[in-house]
Amino acid sequence: DGGITQSPKYLFRKEGQNVTLSCEQNLNHDAMYWYRQDPGQGLRLIYYSQIVNDFQKGDIAEGYSVSREKKESFPLTVTSAQKNPTAFYLCASKVLGEQFFGPGTRLTVL
Amino acid sequence: AQSVAQPEDQVNVAEGNPLTVKCTYSVSGNPYLFWYVQYPNRGLQFLLKYITGDNLVKGSYGFEAEFNKSQTSFHLKKPSALVSDSALYFCAVRDMRLTGAGSYQLTFGKGTKLSVIP
Repeated sequence: DGGITQSPKYLFRKEGQNVTLSCEQNLNHDAMYWYRQDPGQGLRLIYYSQIVNDFQKGDIAEGYSVSREKKESFPLTVTSAQKNPTAFYLCASKVLGEQFFGPGTRLTVL
Repeated sequence: AQSVAQPEDQVNVAEGNPLTVKCTYSVSGNPYLFWYVQYPNRGLQFLLKYITGDNLVKGSYGFEAEFNKSQTSFHLKKPSALVSDSALYFCAVRDMRLTGAGSYQLTFGKGTKLSVIP
């Protein structure tokens, strides 16, 4: 999983709560990404950031928010507006066209 | 918009036999293609990529992939499967026409589960 860490590994949330997933990288990569993985659907892009203090919506950004205050960190907040948040969330960073992935966080809504 | 199709949800192969995991793509312009592997509850690991040049690309763990422009395919292959190859495999494509900050994106297929039977 390279130099990308995600925490926690497992996260449980009650309906109506916001939760924040951490993603940190020590690879000095400029670009970072958040994906959601559901069984049989592959990976879908939530948000991405090419540089600090800049980020763009991906294909399924509704109900999610991000920040990129530091190069090393790209936290994802799953808000109560996300109606079906139970999924496996993957963070990635990129250099020279190749994306490196973190180990993932499995979020379950109770 | 670019797209990737992995026509098989699951592939079963006997240990020691050759394996193929299929991928077809659709892009405008030249494709930039990837294969990743995912073990249970883990992130994706890079296997190989095609940018330009030789149509046969060699990657990690003895895997290779053949780029076929006329068939718009990028099938993953291995001459002799191992039980430890059992995992979920993803094909992905980046459209090289897209340039500029904020427009880079990888599009992933839905994944193919490979089971190697001892």
